[in-house]
Amino acid sequence: AQTVTQSQPEMSVQEAETVTLSCTYDTSENNYYLFWYKQPPSRQMILVIRQEAYKQQNATENRFSVNFQKAAKSFSLKISDSQLGDTAMYFCAFMRGNTDKLIFGTGTRLQVFP
Amino acid sequence: SQTIHQWPATLVQPVGSPLSLECTVEGTSNPNLYWYRQAAGRGLQLLFYSVGIGQISSEVPQNLSASRPQDRQFILSSKKLLLSDSGFYLCAWGTGGDDGYTFGSGTRLTVV
Repeated sequence: AQTVTQSQPEMSVQEAETVTLSCTYDTSENNYYLFWYKQPPSRQMILVIRQEAYKQQNATENRFSVNFQKAAKSFSLKISDSQLGDTAMYFCAFMRGNTDKLIFGTGTRLQVFP
Repeated sequence: SQTIHQWPATLVQPVGSPLSLECTVEGTSNPNLYWYRQAAGRGLQLLFYSVGIGQISSEVPQNLSASRPQDRQFILSSKKLLLSDSGFYLCAWGTGGDDGYTFGSGTRLTVV
């Protein structure tokens, strides 16, 4: 069975600085997708960024980028120029290619300080 | 555009009472639908998913059930709530592949 591990329960960063959130996963599959979701205090789940396993190039969305290391089964999220609005829970998630079921990690609570 | 509606936003129910949470999707046909539960300080646990009308798959044994009476309607139910059913319940829809899911705004259920 696939598992997703986020080893950092809490992180903090100063406004305008850069922070990296870690995620590792375990799978024997070759075709899968990886996601980072943000859950602000409103608790609405928001898709931040996605990565297809067959793509070697790391995904980027504005200030958000990932470091996808397929061999190491690592999928970290880098937030550049952190903003107060980035304060939220961040969940890493895995989807096997033909199942469409998202498996989530336990989350990392990120606090951005002014 | 596609939207997902989930209600109620909050609910306080006594132990032993029934439960019905509803989720509807607009702007898409034949979506895959999902119910997740998020316990305090924990991640999201997949409870049920449905790939079509009347088709329900359960991921974990529990006190809850799900139904899909219409293509874009997904209902989470219980005949008798337990204290352990308290949590934050999220409905989501997806089309497969790299689009991920779109989530509803969630229901905070407190069983007292």
